[in-house]
Amino acid sequence: DAKTTQPTSMDCAEGRAANLPCNHSTISGNEYVYWYRQIHSQGPQYIIHGLKNNETNEMASLIITEDRKSSTLILPHATLRDTAVYYCIVRPPGAGSYQLTFGKGTKLSVIP
Amino acid sequence: NAGVTQTPKFQVLKTGQSMTLQCAQDMNHEYMSWYRQDPGMGLRLIHYSVGAGITDQGEVPNGYNVSRSTTEDFPLRLLSAAPSQTSVYFCASKTGVTNTGELFFGEGSRLTVL
Repeated sequence: DAKTTQPTSMDCAEGRAANLPCNHSTISGNEYVYWYRQIHSQGPQYIIHGLKNNETNEMASLIITEDRKSSTLILPHATLRDTAVYYCIVRPPGAGSYQLTFGKGTKLSVIP
Repeated sequence: NAGVTQTPKFQVLKTGQSMTLQCAQDMNHEYMSWYRQDPGMGLRLIHYSVGAGITDQGEVPNGYNVSRSTTEDFPLRLLSAAPSQTSVYFCASKTGVTNTGELFFGEGSRLTVL
C-alpha cells in the first residue's frame, strides 16, 4: 500500500474551514484515498473516501489533485466536536485488500 | 442498532494469565478485524477474517489467536499475557459485498498487563 504523509498537528478556529492535507506521492492508479478520524479514545470513525474525483458528504469534502499525489480533507465549518486525530489512508480495492494501515495522523485542535 | 460491540471495556491481567476479548457485530458483515493502539501511535492490524471459518494474520499477530465460527463473532485470545500487550484493542467490521466502503469500529477494550 502507498504510504501517506500528514502534518503532526493543526489548529483551526471554530466556525472556520479546516483543511487537512495528505501527501501520497506513491499512490497507484487503483488505490483509493480514505479518511477516518478518532475522537479522544473512541473507535475510529469513517469520514469519506475517493479515487480520483472530488467527493462530498454530510461530514466533509475530499479534494484529490489531478495527479492524485496529494489530497485535502475539508471540514467546512469546524466545531469543537471536530477536535480529533485525522487519518489519511490509501489502499487498493479487491479481495484481500480489506486491511487499512493507520499511521499517526494529524491531531486537529478546534479553538473557540 | 448496536453495530460493533466489544467486551470487556476494561481489563487488568497479571503476566501469564489468559483471556478473551469479545467482539460481536449485528450488521451481517463478512469482514472482521482486530487492531491494537499503543499510546501516541496509530492502529496496527493483529488478525482479520473475511468470513466464517477464515482467518489470517495482520501486521502484529504474535501472542494472539483468533477464530471465526459465526459471522457475528470474532473473539481475540491472549494465551499468556505479557506487559507488551498492554494496549487499547479495537474490533472493526465491514461488508464484503463491496471492496470499498467503511470500516465500523467498536469502542475499544483497554487492557493492562501487570
